Amino acid sequence: DTGVSQDPRHKITKRGQNVTFRCDPISEHNRLYWYRQTLGQGPEFLTYFQNEAQLEKSRLLSDRFSAERPKGSFSTLEIQRTEQGDSAMYLCASSIRQGSSPLHFGNGTRLTVT
Amino acid sequence: DAKTTQPTSMDCAEGRAANLPCNHSTISGNEYVYWYRQIHSQGPQYIIHGLKNNETNEMASLIITEDRKSSTLILPHATLRDTAVYYCIVPSGVVTGANSKLTFGKGITLSVRP
Repeated sequence: DTGVSQDPRHKITKRGQNVTFRCDPISEHNRLYWYRQTLGQGPEFLTYFQNEAQLEKSRLLSDRFSAERPKGSFSTLEIQRTEQGDSAMYLCASSIRQGSSPLHFGNGTRLTVT
Repeated sequence: DAKTTQPTSMDCAEGRAANLPCNHSTISGNEYVYWYRQIHSQGPQYIIHGLKNNETNEMASLIITEDRKSSTLILPHATLRDTAVYYCIVPSGVVTGANSKLTFGKGITLSVRP
């Protein structure tokens, strides 16, 4: 069990640029979640997948955000035309769709938009 | 998700037990209580979860009151590395497996002093 892996750990970009983050879940975890966390706040849910199907999206996920999980394994989160308000930690988590199995989080990607 | 209430902060001495309380008076009969913690610049770390019975693992113990309206996370011998934000979460939908996303509040900041 290598844990949830996120890449990159840090990203600095200029306003208006597009960025893409990758998440590799724990193998055989069929659920994958994206969260966003700003300074001093708890993580906020963005979206989640079961296998390759995106089952729920938060209203926080504006149309500049898109997430994919094409083969039901790794996932990408893309932000187009970044804004300074997008600066945050983006966290990925995975779980097994089984009873009360907990979510396991990666260490996130810290995005800074200048 | 059932609403949870936690104190903003607490501290304890290294080597002593840390008892972190959580109120969840609106919890439903089949909803679990989960505890996570987040150390600075890392993703949330799963600690423990329970339904009705007390639970113990290598990290902590979880004591749930008989009426299930509150719980206490116990770190039996706190160390400096246990300094973190601790989140108590009661997600809806866990029993059915339909949606086990987590809604984080602000958590309780535990400071372990030497």
